Amino acid sequence: GAVVSQHPSRVICKSGTSVKIECRSLDFQATTMFWYRQFPKQSLMLMATSNEGSKATYEQGVEKDKFLINHASLTLSTLTVTSAHPEDSSFYICSARDVAGQASRGYTFGSGTRLTVV
Amino acid sequence: RKEVEQDPGPFNVPEGATVAFNCTYSNSASQSFFWYRQDCRKEPKLLMSVYSSGNEDGRFTAQLNRASQYISLLIRDSKLSDSATYLCVVNKGYGGATNKLIFGTGTLLAVQP
Repeated sequence: GAVVSQHPSRVICKSGTSVKIECRSLDFQATTMFWYRQFPKQSLMLMATSNEGSKATYEQGVEKDKFLINHASLTLSTLTVTSAHPEDSSFYICSARDVAGQASRGYTFGSGTRLTVV
Repeated sequence: RKEVEQDPGPFNVPEGATVAFNCTYSNSASQSFFWYRQDCRKEPKLLMSVYSSGNEDGRFTAQLNRASQYISLLIRDSKLSDSATYLCVVNKGYGGATNKLIFGTGTLLAVQP
């Protein structure tokens, strides 16, 4: 089945530094990937939609200059949290759907990145 | 009002019990529906899609009522391994800008021995 690899799984960084998270579709091409954030005991909130070869679409309230998204190929999307602060500490998850597959298969998620900013 | 609403639970049930989760969604134009399962500190995993005709996968049965904008999940003969958070998920569109998943807050199930 469709597999999405996300890296790193866990990162601890100092306040003010930037962190890059990678999301790869391993056995399918993904023209669109999605980035979510999940705070403790809350649901996943969509941050942005990453489009291969074009600009990402950000949800309302998400700062595009803070959360930089690059989708340079059909199998790779990256999210960079710039100048991270403690309030950015969260669980970041990417997802994609194999567009060649059936819609009923839903979306496959990466294993998530737990970011802690100290 | 949230786009997708669920009872957060927790639902504490004994092994072997039958448990039902409900979910409502606000956008009548929503196109596809899913139940995902999320274990603690893990990513969500697709449990099953939900169709208007109702669908069953082993001990799990999902139902969709488009007129009431209501989705349900029934788990029969609960196992300890069913303990998780169950997420009701709605896709608002076929493609383009509306093609995105909206998650409910999830319902926590704890199956007791």
